Amino acid sequence: KAGVTQTPRYLIKTRGQQVTLSCSPISGHRSVSWYQQTPGQGLQFLFEYFSETQRNKGNFPGRFSGRQFSNSRSEMNVSTLELGDSALYLCASSPGGEQPQHFGDGTRLSIL
Amino acid sequence: LAKTTQPISMDSYEGQEVNITCSHNNIATNDYITWYQQFPSQGPRFIIQGYKTKVTNEVASLFIPADRKSSTLSLPRVSLSDTAVYYCLVGVYSSASKIIFGSGTRLSIRP
Repeated sequence: KAGVTQTPRYLIKTRGQQVTLSCSPISGHRSVSWYQQTPGQGLQFLFEYFSETQRNKGNFPGRFSGRQFSNSRSEMNVSTLELGDSALYLCASSPGGEQPQHFGDGTRLSIL
Repeated sequence: LAKTTQPISMDSYEGQEVNITCSHNNIATNDYITWYQQFPSQGPRFIIQGYKTKVTNEVASLFIPADRKSSTLSLPRVSLSDTAVYYCLVGVYSSASKIIFGSGTRLSIRP
């Protein structure tokens, strides 16, 4: 079974731009969550989607948004990029219920 | 929300058994305990999950005492490739926002 796939793996943007990151979950998984990982703040929860609906949202500004498609694939968008948005963005999927999440290897976003 | 406390770092040698203990005094009745391993520039990798007593799989064992206020991840006969950060999480996966990653334990294995 293929794992969680995130594209692109690396991305360089400048301040003020916007970016879209993509995540393909493990086949059959309906829950997709996004996390931001930085050296200073560690792993922080962004939001979770289940069956195309946002189920939970972390404490991030409205510049961070996401969506999930009918095939469970998910995208995350960050608008008006700031230097502090430089991070590893991780996507995780699970079947739902009490099953653990499985992570992709992330997208490394660098803001210049 | 259940907070976890782990040692910041641990050192060991190849071939040794390593035990990493996690404290979670405020664990709720419905919470599960899950451990992840993370290498640099990769996503966390699921190791093991349990609710109570002992769970064992092909790579690790998880010991959970009756009061569930702590748990111990046991890695048998570690190798250099086990050098990584290990995260202990407690929570209910039906609500991902309630899963909190702590700072993790940086495990270094020496030859």
